Amino acid sequence: TQLLEQSPQFLSIQEGENLTVYCNSSSVFSSLQWYRQEPGEGPVLLVTVVTGGEVKKLKRLTFQFGDARKDSSLHITAAQTGDTGLYLCAGAPNDYKLSFGAGTTVTVRA
Amino acid sequence: DAMVIQNPRYQVTQFGKPVTLSCSQTLNHNVMYWYQQKSSQAPKLLFHYYDKDFNNEADTPDNFQSRRPNTSFCFLDIRSPGLGDAAMYLCATSTGTLLGRLGGYNEQFFGPGTRLTVL
Repeated sequence: TQLLEQSPQFLSIQEGENLTVYCNSSSVFSSLQWYRQEPGEGPVLLVTVVTGGEVKKLKRLTFQFGDARKDSSLHITAAQTGDTGLYLCAGAPNDYKLSFGAGTTVTVRA
Repeated sequence: DAMVIQNPRYQVTQFGKPVTLSCSQTLNHNVMYWYQQKSSQAPKLLFHYYDKDFNNEADTPDNFQSRRPNTSFCFLDIRSPGLGDAAMYLCATSTGTLLGRLGGYNEQFFGPGTRLTVL
C-alpha cells in the first residue's frame, strides 16, 4: 500500500493549458517535497512545503500544502513543452527515508 | 558547485556478470541512498548509509550489496545481474541531521543516475 497516492498517473495536454497534480495521504507529514524528473535524468527537487495551508510559487508552478498536512497539489499555469516529465511527491513520515508517490507522467504537446 | 555524481551514466553488462556502480558527493551529507527505478515508476529504496551505518530495506535482494569507504563515496555492487535488474539506479544524499528528523524536513538530492542494461 502506497503511503502517498498521486493522481492522475498520466496527463497529456496541449501547450498553454493548465494542469493540476494531486498527492494525498491518510498520514500527517511534517513536510512534503515535489520533484521533477526528465527522461534519463535523476529527480530534481522543485520545492518543499512545510506549513499547513502553505502556498509556494515557482514561476508558473504553484504548490499547496493541505491545512492538515496530509495532502498537496501542484498546479502548472500555461504549460510549456519544457514542463514535460515525471512529477513525484515525497515525504518523510517519521525519519530521513522518503516515501514517494507513484508519480505523474506529464506530457505537454506543442 | 556542490553536487552528486554518478559513474558511469550508462552501463551494459552480461547476465550474471558482476557490476559496480559509483556515486560521489561534494555536499558532505551524512546519508547516502541507493534507489532502483523502472520506467515511469517511483524510485524504490534499496538501502542507505547513515554515516557508516548500513540500513538494508527488507525486500532488497541479497544480490545487491553496497559499500561506503568514506563520506564522499558510495558503491552499489550487483553480484549476479539478472534481466530483471535492468533499470535506472539513482544515488541520493541528505543531511540526516537531528534538525531534519525532529519535525524539520528531509530533502534528498539526487545524482543523474546510471542506466543499467543487462544482456
